Amino acid sequence: ETGVTQTPRHLVMGMTNKKSLKCEQHLGHNAMYWYKQSAKKPLELMFVYSLEERVENNSVPSRFSPECPNSSHLFLHLHTLQPEDSALYLCASSLQSRGPNNEQFFGPGTRLTVL
Amino acid sequence: AQTVTQSQPEMSVQEAETVTLSCTYDTSESDYYLFWYKQPPSRQMILVIRQEAYKQQNATENRFSVNFQKAAKSFSLKISDSQLGDAAMYFCAYVPHAGGTSYGKLTFGQGTILTVHP
Repeated sequence: ETGVTQTPRHLVMGMTNKKSLKCEQHLGHNAMYWYKQSAKKPLELMFVYSLEERVENNSVPSRFSPECPNSSHLFLHLHTLQPEDSALYLCASSLQSRGPNNEQFFGPGTRLTVL
Repeated sequence: AQTVTQSQPEMSVQEAETVTLSCTYDTSESDYYLFWYKQPPSRQMILVIRQEAYKQQNATENRFSVNFQKAAKSFSLKISDSQLGDAAMYFCAYVPHAGGTSYGKLTFGQGTILTVHP
């Protein structure tokens, strides 16, 4: 596997379910990101991790819980979501979280539908 | 706060022709980076081109080039010799070089859907 991978690619869940999204990067990067992409809206940054430490939490509701066990893996734990949380969730990574090596590489995304 | 504006929700171009996508941004920073990303219908976001604000020379990558006007805060993307595979959503994005808590905070525009006609 190369680049940034995400699983699952599609997820349908009820509002009372608990599920997790997984992201893995094979680029040797030190920073990882979660974005939400909704129809007709710009991408919204949710979380930033640099060297496994969360450095940005962009006012995301607590029903979204990120986890970064190491610099190659990033999870987004979901519980008691709302239908308006249905969106494409994109993971990205970069060599550094700031400075000249901040170019971000994206995964294919997980299409989440909350019923 | 930084904002990025793409005023063209949709654009179309004939195959082999040239098209320009517009982007403006607002920032008080003097050093930053600008990007154009492409998101084809398969959804994988791909970096097309990158511009560093302190470089006056416009970035070029094969058929893709930018017109970076720092004073006007404008960053347009020109696609020459358009191909069917160029059809996608294009996003303009901004990130400051460094500063405070702006860790890698890419700010995206709303996107422009590009259609390429054969």
